[in-house]
Amino acid sequence: DVKVTQSSRYLVKRTGEKVFLECVQDMDHENMFWYRQDPGLGLRLIYFSYDVKMKEKGDIPEGYSVSREKKERFSLILESASTNQTSMYLCASSFEGGLAEAFFGQGTRLTVV
Amino acid sequence: ELKVEQNPLFLSMQEGKNYTIYCNYSTTSDRLYWYRQDPGKSLESLFVLLSNGAVKQEGRLMASLDTKARLSTLHITAAVHDLSATYFCAVDVFNTDKLIFGTGTRLQVFP
Repeated sequence: DVKVTQSSRYLVKRTGEKVFLECVQDMDHENMFWYRQDPGLGLRLIYFSYDVKMKEKGDIPEGYSVSREKKERFSLILESASTNQTSMYLCASSFEGGLAEAFFGQGTRLTVV
Repeated sequence: ELKVEQNPLFLSMQEGKNYTIYCNYSTTSDRLYWYRQDPGKSLESLFVLLSNGAVKQEGRLMASLDTKARLSTLHITAAVHDLSATYFCAVDVFNTDKLIFGTGTRLQVFP
């Protein structure tokens, strides 16, 4: 069974804090993704990584950075959290080549106060 | 910029009825995926469509892909309450593995 595990289910952080969201997958997937999900806006891609140390900006990268030092781990970093980054964050992973679906973690609901 | 548009955004339908959800996208792609999300849960995969004319069926759901029209459909046959969920389509941008999602269709099936 594919497993994508996000380090926290719920997080509450203060404005201006540096926040780390961690994601680990156990299926040796090349691709990893970070999305945020907001009501009425669907899932919006923040960053995409197709290999270790390789990344591509998604549609809404501002205010975020990522790190992928190992194949199984993809971290999302909020450099200085703001209230408009309060959201549900979803991590996903997939094999390269697109022949199979991406698998999702359980999500992290982040509240910035 | 790639746009992936789903309609309708919200669908309330009676049990036993049929309906279709549409997913239009604005770029070249041969790969499209459908997902289901239950309230408070994450996304689970429903269908993987990998070529023009692809059709997949599972129970009361059938998905198809027309890459020339840049359109995928998710057809619901004889809806039941258990199908109530939010359905997302996702497109692989230029077949690069980068996935862009639609806004989702929230489906409610009532007796």
